[in-house]
Amino acid sequence: LAKTTQPISMDSYEGQEVNITCSHNNIATNDYITWYQQFPSQGPRFIIQGYKTKVTNEVASLFIPADRKSSTLSLPRVSLSDTAVYYCLVGDGDSNYQLIWGAGTKLIIKP
Amino acid sequence: GAVVSQHPSRVICKSGTSVKIECRSLDFQATTMFWYRQFPKQSLMLMATSNEGSKATYEQGVEKDKFLINHASLTLSTLTVTSAHPEDSSFYICSATDRRTNSPLHFGNGTRLTVT
Repeated sequence: LAKTTQPISMDSYEGQEVNITCSHNNIATNDYITWYQQFPSQGPRFIIQGYKTKVTNEVASLFIPADRKSSTLSLPRVSLSDTAVYYCLVGDGDSNYQLIWGAGTKLIIKP
Repeated sequence: GAVVSQHPSRVICKSGTSVKIECRSLDFQATTMFWYRQFPKQSLMLMATSNEGSKATYEQGVEKDKFLINHASLTLSTLTVTSAHPEDSSFYICSATDRRTNSPLHFGNGTRLTVT
């Protein structure tokens, strides 16, 4: 079964760039790596997904090395409203369609 | 973007009663829907995976007779918590995807169930 590891929590300040890394081994070779944001009492919200190298959209960038054993979510110029829990999600390398969640990183942005 | 509607957002019920939670994909066809449970300050825990027209696949430790899942169409899945007990109180979240297109998961906003 794939295993993921994320930092439990991180602090940063408004305007800073924040990088959150998820380590993951034994992931599916043909599946995306996806990151979600979750606010209290809400369902997770899709942020970004990628397969290899770097992906960028209007809210974040995702860096994935060639071995795909980790991925780094980069949030540029964070604001207070980015305070949330961030989860990585990967496909399991041992079974079809099994998805494995990271435990989540609680990001706190300070003024 | 893709929208998943989950209803109700909050429900309080008495011990021993059953509660049905609906999950609808509003603008795409959901070949696969997932049901999760989340306890406070914990990560999402997958309860079951349902493919349209098939029986749901339950994770280890999840009682299929207690958590009935129906996924009869490409836009609707329901989770029924039967004979609910206080320990079933939790935040239940559904997600949906079209596996034919490898689209990301789209989540409902969750249902907070309180069993008294």
